[in-house]
This record gives sequence, structure tokens and C-alpha cells, in this order.
Amino acid sequence: GENVEQHPSTLSVQEGDSAVIKCTYSDSASNYFPWYKQELGKRPQLIIDIRSNVGEKKDQRIAVTLNKTAKHFSLHITETQPEDSAVYFCAASKGSSYKLIFGSGTRLLVRP
Amino acid sequence: GAGVSQSPRYKVAKRGQDVALRCDPISGHVSLFWYQQALGQGPEFLTYFQNEAQLDKSGLPSDRFFAERPEGSVSTLKIQRTQQEDSAVYLCASSGRGEGGYTFGSGTRLTVV
Repeated sequence: GENVEQHPSTLSVQEGDSAVIKCTYSDSASNYFPWYKQELGKRPQLIIDIRSNVGEKKDQRIAVTLNKTAKHFSLHITETQPEDSAVYFCAASKGSSYKLIFGSGTRLLVRP
Repeated sequence: GAGVSQSPRYKVAKRGQDVALRCDPISGHVSLFWYQQALGQGPEFLTYFQNEAQLDKSGLPSDRFFAERPEGSVSTLKIQRTQQEDSAVYLCASSGRGEGGYTFGSGTRLTVV
């Protein structure tokens, strides 16, 4: 079955710097890759997603890149702000209405 | 409703007790998922419904776990004879037709003592 690995497990950056989180997946049939942000005690919230027919997607300070050949995808946050501090999860699926396989999460701390 | 609603928000159960967790998805969403999230971990898939049909229950950890969605809207996850290792946050998510992705509920935090 699908396996998703996520790195790093923790990431500390200075406010204004960029943050990059990387994930790899094992099932070449996966074609949908969302990223979720989860604040302590709250629900996971979808922040951006990408499908296998594109290589990059951007939404303001957040971007995601996908390399299907290497089976890895990355989340890029630019100009980080303290409110970006949270746990970020990547996930992989065979479609947006199929089960998601999540990575183990990255705890991002943005230092003011 | 405007979002995915789960109840109760918190549940403390004595070991051996049965519990029932409720999920009310976004109106009109055909797909409904249950996930289990242990402390400090990513959510793990439990089961999936499309309307009232349970299409995938491969993630249910044992036969003590049972889920239903009899009318294709509200879903209930039941755990019988709870054990300490069942302590986790149980998340429900729904999605509609098309490519909108999931919306998660706030979860039910189950503590088995």
C-alpha cells in the first residue's frame, strides 16, 4: 500500500525566512497531493493541493511542487509569519474523494 | 450545515465501555471518511462511505470498531469494549463530487481510562 514519508519532523525559522517541507510517496498511482495545517487542538485545514497533471501550484506565500518521476512533493512557505507556526501534514491519494495517506507531520515554529 | 460537525467534542470512557461518535457532514457531500489521530501523529484512515455504502473499511483496527451511515448523511463510529490504545482523536471528513478536497470536522477526543 501507499506510504508517505515527511521531513523534517521539526523546523524552526526566523520570521521572514522561507520554510520548505518535503514528502515522498511510494504508490505511483497516487495523483492527488494535499497539504494540511493543524493548530494545536484544532482540525486539519487544507491549505493547498496539487494534482499529478501539474508540476507546481502557488497561492500567495504558499507553493507546492511535484516531481512525479522521483515521487516527491514539497511545500514552500515564503516570508514566514508567527501565525504560520503549526503542524503541517502532507498526504497522497488516488483522487480527492479517496482515502488520504498522511505523512507524520512537521512542526513549524516561526520565531518573531 | 456550513461545516462538518462532530459530537461529542470530548469523551472519557472506562475501559470496557462502548462508545458512539457522531459525524454530521456538509450537506450534499457524498463521501465521508473516518480517521484516527494519535497524539503527535498524522491522521490514519479508518473507513470510507460513498452515500450509505461502506466502500472501504480496511483501516478499522479490529472487529470492535464499527461504522455506519444508514441514510447517506450522518455517520456513527462505534467502538465496543474500549481499550486504552483506542485513546485518540477521531476525525470525520467529507467531500463532494468534483475536485474540492476534504473538509475535516473538529474531531472527538476519546480518552479511555
